[in-house]
Amino acid sequence: AQSVTQLDSQVPVFEEAPVELRCNYSSSVSVYLFWYVQYPNQGLQLLLKYLSGSTLVKGINGFEAEFNKSQTSFHLRKPSVHISDTAEYFCAVSEDSSASKIIFGSGTRLSIRP
Amino acid sequence: DADVTQTPRNRITKTGKRIMLECSQTKGHDRMYWYRQDPGLGLRLIYYSFDVKDINKGEISDGYSVSRQAQAKFSLSLESAIPNQTALYFCAVRGTGTGYTFGSGTRLTVV
Repeated sequence: AQSVTQLDSQVPVFEEAPVELRCNYSSSVSVYLFWYVQYPNQGLQLLLKYLSGSTLVKGINGFEAEFNKSQTSFHLRKPSVHISDTAEYFCAVSEDSSASKIIFGSGTRLSIRP
Repeated sequence: DADVTQTPRNRITKTGKRIMLECSQTKGHDRMYWYRQDPGLGLRLIYYSFDVKDINKGEISDGYSVSRQAQAKFSLSLESAIPNQTALYFCAVRGTGTGYTFGSGTRLTVV
């Protein structure tokens, strides 16, 4: 069965500092990986996804993630964060390329300090 | 992409009551999902539907039931609500790509 572990429940960083949100997955088959963001009092929005090809994936709002098969990781990074990046971030995995069923991690709350 | 509307936005109900949460989408996509969100647990899949006649249980279906009344509508019911079903509930639709579009959520409190 597939599962996703987000190692940090909360990450505080200063504005304009870099950030990395960690995500590890387990699956017995090929995986397809996603990062979603949830701004306060809103639903989730897709940030980026890895389906195949280049292991470095670029998403919206300056975020990127790198798929590392040997370490079973899909960490999310941004070189310089803004106050507007304050949100909860969810890593998610699907075992099929059409994402017919997605399993989410427990989330990482990113708080940005001025 | 699909617009996803959830009603109600907030609901307080008593233990033992039956309650229905509704979800509708504008684009008629096949695949619809119900998740619940709890602090520290992320989103957990309750039920999902690939078509009007195709309903599947997710990770935590006990205590819940669903109905796909039409391609555009997917309702979640709690037959006899209990306090540990207090949570934020999200409906999602898988559009033409692989991304999901989420509704704004229903905050349910069972007292």
